[in-house]
Amino acid sequence: DIQMTQSPSSLSASVGDRVTITCRASQSISIFLNWYQQKPGKAPKLLIYAASSLQSGVPSRFSGSGSGTDFTLTISSLQPEDFATYYCQQSYSTLGYTFGQGTKLEIK
Amino acid sequence: QVQLVQSGAEVKKPGSSVKVSCKASGGTFSSYAISWVRQAPGQGLEWMGGIIPISGTANYAQKFQGRVTITADESTSTAYMELSSLRSEDTAVYYCARGYRYCSGGGCYPYFDNWGQGTLVTVSS
Repeated sequence: DIQMTQSPSSLSASVGDRVTITCRASQSISIFLNWYQQKPGKAPKLLIYAASSLQSGVPSRFSGSGSGTDFTLTISSLQPEDFATYYCQQSYSTLGYTFGQGTKLEIK
Repeated sequence: QVQLVQSGAEVKKPGSSVKVSCKASGGTFSSYAISWVRQAPGQGLEWMGGIIPISGTANYAQKFQGRVTITADESTSTAYMELSSLRSEDTAVYYCARGYRYCSGGGCYPYFDNWGQGTLVTVSS
């Protein structure tokens, strides 16, 4: 199985801050990398697909980059509604579309 | 816009089975994959497996091989996930999600663009 490792596991930030979350794959996955946002008690929501493509309706302050094994999700200016848990997911291997362990973004 | 509506919460005894449904509306059901993802209390997301309804072909995460069965009924646009030999560690919220693909530059890149609301399965004696 391809292992996905996110860092940090948790992060405290303030409204207006620029935030970056990192995801590393245990082997090269090209750009088969997606990012999701999850709020408590809700289903995950797709933010970014194919490493850097913004899902329709998602604010442009969210962006993704990377290829191979190293990827980042950046929020350019945090808004109150962005405090949530973020997950990366690889879709390279049909043996298992594994997720990272999550990054909880909290208000400082 | 595709909407996925799941069946209600379940309480099961250890050793029993549970079958969760996921009904799709507002889009073409058969052509897109449906995956199942679970989330134990306070934990992360775990992909269990998926199916392409038009082919009936399912694939499963190795961890769940032999214990999970994913099926789809095209006539009712409904996917099902059945998990057997339940144990307390299977207590989780189970989500279905539609798999879509972005194709560019000769490659197609899957992702989950629509999710069900989740079904809580509690395993307790």
